[in-house]
Amino acid sequence: ELKVEQNPLFLSMQEGKNYTIYCNYSTTSDRLYWYRQDPGKSLESLFVLLSNGAVKQEGRLMASLDTKARLSTLHITAAVHDLSATYFCAYDYAGGTSYGKLTFGQGTILTVHP
Amino acid sequence: EAGVAQSPRYKIIEKRQSVAFWCNPISGHATLYWYQQILGQGPKLLIQFQNNGVVDDSQLPKDRFSAERLKGVDSTLKIQPAKLEDSAVYLCASSRQGKKLFFGSGTQLSVL
Repeated sequence: ELKVEQNPLFLSMQEGKNYTIYCNYSTTSDRLYWYRQDPGKSLESLFVLLSNGAVKQEGRLMASLDTKARLSTLHITAAVHDLSATYFCAYDYAGGTSYGKLTFGQGTILTVHP
Repeated sequence: EAGVAQSPRYKIIEKRQSVAFWCNPISGHATLYWYQQILGQGPKLLIQFQNNGVVDDSQLPKDRFSAERLKGVDSTLKIQPAKLEDSAVYLCASSRQGKKLFFGSGTQLSVL
Protein backbone atom coordinates (compact mmCIF):
# COMPACT_ATOMS: atom_id res chain seq x y z
CA GLU A 1 0.00 0.00 0.00
CA LEU A 2 1.27 3.43 -0.93
CA LYS A 3 1.78 5.55 2.17
CA VAL A 4 2.79 9.05 3.11
CA GLU A 5 3.36 9.80 6.76
CA GLN A 6 3.79 13.26 8.15
CA ASN A 7 4.94 14.25 11.57
CA PRO A 8 4.08 15.95 13.67
CA LEU A 9 0.34 16.04 12.93
CA PHE A 10 -0.15 19.01 15.23
CA LEU A 11 2.39 21.75 15.73
CA SER A 12 1.99 24.69 18.03
CA MET A 13 4.74 27.24 17.64
CA GLN A 14 5.66 30.54 19.09
CA GLU A 15 6.33 33.40 16.74
CA GLY A 16 10.00 33.72 15.90
CA LYS A 17 10.82 30.05 16.45
CA ASN A 18 12.06 27.50 13.94
CA TYR A 19 10.65 24.06 13.30
CA THR A 20 10.62 21.23 10.76
CA ILE A 21 7.80 19.07 9.42
CA TYR A 22 8.82 15.63 8.20
CA CYS A 23 7.28 13.63 5.36
CA ASN A 24 8.16 9.97 4.81
CA TYR A 25 6.85 8.09 1.79
CA SER A 26 6.77 4.42 1.04
CA THR A 27 7.84 4.09 -2.58
CA THR A 28 10.13 5.66 -5.08
CA SER A 29 8.93 8.89 -6.54
CA ASP A 30 10.49 11.60 -8.57
CA ARG A 31 8.01 14.28 -7.60
CA LEU A 32 7.20 15.49 -4.13
CA TYR A 33 4.80 18.34 -3.45
CA TRP A 34 4.07 20.56 -0.50
CA TYR A 35 0.67 22.23 -0.25
CA ARG A 36 -0.87 24.69 2.16
CA GLN A 37 -4.57 24.66 3.06
CA ASP A 38 -6.34 27.38 5.06
CA PRO A 39 -9.60 26.46 6.83
CA GLY A 40 -12.45 26.14 4.35
CA LYS A 41 -10.15 26.88 1.44
CA SER A 42 -8.59 24.84 -1.30
CA LEU A 43 -5.02 23.67 -1.66
CA GLU A 44 -2.28 26.11 -2.55
CA SER A 45 0.85 24.69 -4.10
CA LEU A 46 4.01 25.71 -2.24
CA PHE A 47 6.81 23.61 -3.69
CA VAL A 48 7.46 20.90 -6.24
CA LEU A 49 10.66 18.93 -5.61
CA LEU A 50 11.84 17.01 -8.63
CA SER A 51 15.11 15.33 -7.78
CA ASN A 52 17.28 13.99 -4.99
CA GLY A 53 18.88 16.79 -3.04
CA ALA A 54 16.46 19.40 -4.33
CA VAL A 55 16.01 22.38 -2.06
CA LYS A 56 13.53 25.18 -2.60
CA GLN A 57 12.88 28.26 -0.51
CA GLU A 58 10.10 30.81 -0.45
CA GLY A 59 10.08 33.37 2.30
CA ARG A 60 10.20 31.63 5.67
CA LEU A 61 9.62 28.17 4.21
CA MET A 62 12.25 25.83 2.83
CA ALA A 63 11.60 22.35 1.46
CA SER A 64 14.08 19.61 0.71
CA LEU A 65 14.00 16.12 -0.74
CA ASP A 66 16.10 13.02 -0.05
CA THR A 67 14.89 10.30 -2.40
CA LYS A 68 17.25 7.69 -0.98
CA ALA A 69 15.79 8.12 2.49
CA ARG A 70 12.31 8.69 1.01
CA LEU A 71 12.09 11.79 3.15
CA SER A 72 11.10 15.37 2.54
CA THR A 73 11.23 18.18 5.06
CA LEU A 74 9.51 21.53 5.32
CA HIS A 75 11.50 23.90 7.50
CA ILE A 76 9.91 26.98 9.00
CA THR A 77 12.18 29.83 9.96
CA ALA A 78 11.15 32.56 12.42
CA ALA A 79 7.47 31.64 12.30
CA VAL A 80 4.80 34.34 12.00
CA HIS A 81 1.06 34.08 12.62
CA ASP A 82 0.26 34.18 8.90
CA LEU A 83 1.87 30.76 8.50
CA SER A 84 -0.89 29.14 10.57
CA ALA A 85 -2.53 26.57 8.26
CA THR A 86 -2.53 22.88 7.44
CA TYR A 87 0.45 21.67 5.42
CA PHE A 88 0.32 18.56 3.26
CA CYS A 89 3.03 16.70 1.49
CA ALA A 90 2.13 14.50 -1.45
CA TYR A 91 4.04 12.36 -3.87
CA ASP A 92 3.31 11.43 -7.42
CA TYR A 93 3.30 7.67 -7.78
CA ALA A 94 3.07 7.45 -11.53
CA GLY A 95 5.56 8.96 -13.86
CA GLY A 96 5.61 9.76 -17.54
CA THR A 97 2.30 10.96 -18.86
CA SER A 98 0.40 10.02 -15.73
CA TYR A 99 1.69 12.68 -13.38
CA GLY A 100 -0.92 14.13 -11.06
CA LYS A 101 -2.09 11.03 -9.22
CA LEU A 102 -1.03 12.35 -5.88
CA THR A 103 -0.93 10.43 -2.61
CA PHE A 104 -1.25 12.84 0.28
CA GLY A 105 -0.07 12.69 3.86
CA GLN A 106 -2.45 13.27 6.75
CA GLY A 107 -1.52 16.91 7.03
CA THR A 108 0.21 18.91 9.76
CA ILE A 109 -1.92 21.52 11.49
CA LEU A 110 0.36 24.42 12.31
CA THR A 111 -0.65 27.09 14.79
CA VAL A 112 1.64 30.03 15.40
CA HIS A 113 0.98 32.23 18.39
CA PRO A 114 2.62 35.24 19.96
CA GLU B 1 -5.94 33.46 -15.56
CA ALA B 2 -9.23 32.15 -14.17
CA GLY B 3 -8.92 29.30 -11.72
CA VAL B 4 -10.71 25.97 -11.48
CA ALA B 5 -14.41 26.63 -10.97
CA GLN B 6 -16.61 24.30 -8.92
CA SER B 7 -20.25 24.36 -7.94
CA PRO B 8 -22.15 24.16 -5.75
CA ARG B 9 -20.03 25.35 -2.85
CA TYR B 10 -22.07 23.45 -0.27
CA LYS B 11 -24.63 20.66 -0.50
CA ILE B 12 -26.66 18.95 2.19
CA ILE B 13 -28.63 15.82 1.34
CA GLU B 14 -30.13 12.85 3.09
CA LYS B 15 -28.67 9.38 2.73
CA ARG B 16 -29.85 7.45 -0.30
CA GLN B 17 -30.42 10.68 -2.25
CA SER B 18 -28.38 11.53 -5.32
CA VAL B 19 -26.12 14.53 -5.84
CA ALA B 20 -23.98 15.97 -8.63
CA PHE B 21 -21.00 18.28 -8.61
CA TRP B 22 -19.70 20.34 -11.49
CA CYS B 23 -16.18 21.41 -12.38
CA ASN B 24 -14.80 23.71 -15.07
CA PRO B 25 -11.02 23.45 -15.37
CA ILE B 26 -8.54 26.13 -16.32
CA SER B 27 -8.68 26.79 -20.05
CA GLY B 28 -6.21 24.65 -21.94
CA HIS B 29 -5.76 22.08 -19.19
CA ALA B 30 -6.28 18.67 -20.72
CA THR B 31 -6.03 16.73 -17.48
CA LEU B 32 -8.78 16.87 -14.87
CA TYR B 33 -8.93 15.17 -11.49
CA TRP B 34 -11.53 14.61 -8.80
CA TYR B 35 -10.27 14.19 -5.25
CA GLN B 36 -12.23 13.39 -2.09
CA GLN B 37 -11.09 14.99 1.17
CA ILE B 38 -12.65 13.60 4.34
CA LEU B 39 -12.41 15.85 7.38
CA GLY B 40 -9.00 15.57 9.02
CA GLN B 41 -7.41 13.68 6.14
CA GLY B 42 -5.45 14.43 3.02
CA PRO B 43 -7.24 14.37 -0.34
CA LYS B 44 -7.64 11.02 -2.09
CA LEU B 45 -7.77 10.69 -5.86
CA LEU B 46 -11.07 9.36 -7.21
CA ILE B 47 -10.64 9.71 -10.96
CA GLN B 48 -8.32 11.24 -13.54
CA PHE B 49 -9.33 12.29 -17.06
CA GLN B 50 -7.10 13.10 -20.00
CA ASN B 51 -9.27 15.12 -22.37
CA ASN B 52 -12.54 13.14 -22.37
CA GLY B 53 -10.99 9.76 -21.58
CA VAL B 54 -10.53 8.14 -18.18
CA VAL B 55 -6.88 7.55 -17.26
CA ASP B 56 -7.41 6.12 -13.78
CA ASP B 57 -10.58 5.38 -11.84
CA SER B 58 -9.20 2.60 -9.67
CA GLN B 59 -10.21 4.33 -6.43
CA LEU B 60 -13.69 5.38 -7.55
CA PRO B 61 -16.48 3.41 -5.80
CA LYS B 62 -18.19 2.56 -9.03
CA ASP B 63 -21.29 1.08 -7.46
CA ARG B 64 -22.38 4.57 -6.45
CA PHE B 65 -20.01 7.12 -7.97
CA SER B 66 -19.81 8.10 -11.62
CA ALA B 67 -18.01 10.86 -13.46
CA GLU B 68 -17.94 12.13 -17.00
CA ARG B 69 -16.13 14.70 -19.08
CA LEU B 70 -18.02 14.43 -22.33
CA LYS B 71 -16.47 17.23 -24.38
CA GLY B 72 -13.07 17.19 -22.74
CA VAL B 73 -13.68 20.42 -20.86
CA ASP B 74 -16.00 20.53 -17.84
CA SER B 75 -16.81 17.51 -15.76
CA THR B 76 -19.57 16.19 -13.52
CA LEU B 77 -19.18 13.85 -10.55
CA LYS B 78 -22.31 12.07 -9.33
CA ILE B 79 -23.12 10.03 -6.27
CA GLN B 80 -26.19 7.82 -6.30
CA PRO B 81 -27.25 6.78 -3.70
CA ALA B 82 -25.25 8.73 -1.13
CA LYS B 83 -24.10 7.19 2.13
CA LEU B 84 -23.17 8.89 5.39
CA GLU B 85 -19.49 8.14 4.78
CA ASP B 86 -19.58 10.17 1.56
CA SER B 87 -19.60 13.37 3.63
CA ALA B 88 -16.45 15.14 2.50
CA VAL B 89 -15.11 17.97 0.39
CA TYR B 90 -14.90 17.08 -3.28
CA LEU B 91 -12.02 18.86 -4.96
CA CYS B 92 -11.55 19.23 -8.66
CA ALA B 93 -8.09 19.94 -10.05
CA SER B 94 -6.68 20.47 -13.51
CA SER B 95 -3.29 20.60 -15.14
CA ARG B 96 -1.50 20.70 -18.43
CA GLN B 97 -0.17 17.23 -19.14
CA GLY B 98 2.59 16.39 -16.71
CA LYS B 99 2.52 19.80 -15.05
CA LYS B 100 1.50 21.22 -11.67
CA LEU B 101 -2.06 20.71 -10.44
CA PHE B 102 -4.35 23.63 -9.69
CA PHE B 103 -7.18 22.93 -7.28
CA GLY B 104 -10.64 24.44 -7.12
CA SER B 105 -12.31 25.59 -3.91
CA GLY B 106 -14.25 22.35 -3.57
CA THR B 107 -17.81 21.29 -2.86
CA GLN B 108 -18.54 20.47 0.75
CA LEU B 109 -21.05 17.61 0.95
CA SER B 110 -22.92 16.71 4.11
CA VAL B 111 -24.97 13.51 4.06
CA LEU B 112 -27.50 13.30 6.90
